[in-house]
Amino acid sequence: GENVEQHPSTLSVQEGDSAVIKCTYSDSASNYFPWYKQELGKGPQLIIDIRSNVGEKKDQRIAVTLNKTAKHFSLHITETQPEDSAVYFCAASWVGGGYNKLIFGAGTRLAVHP
Amino acid sequence: GAVVSQHPSRVICKSGTSVKIECRSLDFQATTMFWYRQFPKQSLMLMATSNEGSKATYEQGVEKDKFLINHASLTLSTLTVTSAHPEDSSFYICSAGGAGDTQYFGPGTRLTVL
Repeated sequence: GENVEQHPSTLSVQEGDSAVIKCTYSDSASNYFPWYKQELGKGPQLIIDIRSNVGEKKDQRIAVTLNKTAKHFSLHITETQPEDSAVYFCAASWVGGGYNKLIFGAGTRLAVHP
Repeated sequence: GAVVSQHPSRVICKSGTSVKIECRSLDFQATTMFWYRQFPKQSLMLMATSNEGSKATYEQGVEKDKFLINHASLTLSTLTVTSAHPEDSSFYICSAGGAGDTQYFGPGTRLTVL
């Protein structure tokens, strides 16, 4: 089955710096890769996702890149702000004709210091 | 965007009692909903996949007789923790499949069993 590894487990940056979180997956059939942000005591919030037919996707300060050959994908946050502080989870799934379960990484705790 | 609600947000119960958690998709129909549990500082662990009008599919190691799931309509799924014990204390989160392949998560329910 699919396995997703996520690094680093914790990340501390200064406000305005960039943050990068990396994930690798094991199943080459996976074709959908979402990223979620979870604040303390709340449910995960989808912030961006990418499908296997696309190599990069950007939404304002957030971007995700996908390397299918190497089976890894990354989240890039530019111009970080204190409100970006949260736990970020990557996930992988195979989607086709219905909803399939997401396999999550272990999470990255991001702290943005003013 | 798609909104998923959960009720209650937190519940405290005595050992041996049963607790029901509701998950609703507010502005879309969800044929598939997922139930997760999350322990402090850990990732999300999928418990079961719930399809409207059919029996839920449980992940390995999850007791189906203890965690009863009902998905009676396209907007409502319920999780009942039967004969709860302190080790069942956790953060329970549901997600619902929205448009396309995306899963949207509820805000979570914190269960504390005394």
